[in-house]
Amino acid sequence: RKEVEQDPGPFNVPEGATVAFNCTYSNSASQSFFWYRQDCRKEPKLLMSVYSSGNEDGRFTAQLNRASQYISLLIRDSKLSDSATYLCVVGSGGTSYGKLTFGQGTILTVHP
Amino acid sequence: SAVISQKPSRDICQRGTSLTIQCQVDSQVTMMFWYRQQPGQSLTLIATANQGSEATYESGFVIDKFPISRPNLTFSTLTVSNMSPEDSSIYLCSVETQGTDTQYFGPGTRLTVL
Repeated sequence: RKEVEQDPGPFNVPEGATVAFNCTYSNSASQSFFWYRQDCRKEPKLLMSVYSSGNEDGRFTAQLNRASQYISLLIRDSKLSDSATYLCVVGSGGTSYGKLTFGQGTILTVHP
Repeated sequence: SAVISQKPSRDICQRGTSLTIQCQVDSQVTMMFWYRQQPGQSLTLIATANQGSEATYESGFVIDKFPISRPNLTFSTLTVSNMSPEDSSIYLCSVETQGTDTQYFGPGTRLTVL
């Protein structure tokens, strides 16, 4: 089983749609959780950290369920500029502090 | 967030040669990391670059193949040694800024080995 699993998609949605991405992780000792976005031929960029209480940043909402080891990202009112690969990322703690494990990414295409 | 640069941005190399990639940060950072992103794949951590001591390598990566230097808190190098076509990848450095648990990535070095 992969340490971090995502639905690779691709997701093709019209502008204005709401889209949700899911991610599961296998290491119950994981300490930190993130969504990164990666545009074609570019480096990953931090979209948002994910907290147990859930957090929202404009059109983006992230949720974490530690009991189920499940992370989600909701994008509302999709824009063309949201087209990218979305990476679910999990950080380890303890002796593996700083180590990030990446999911394989979910490809999103928003079309007019 | 820190501003990170990498050199070279891309290179095409012959098998059997070595390439050193540089990563420069505009501020002092405690932790720096090197990742590899193979074509069509996600990122895999190669090693943590420790300032003043040997790098910490992940399973599947060894110092002889990927020697790393970290002479100070703003700079690191990764060498890809004795390259083969399987080493064709994007190599990215990242930094973790002090007081946070988030990492920021350099623009990457796109390596093609013929």
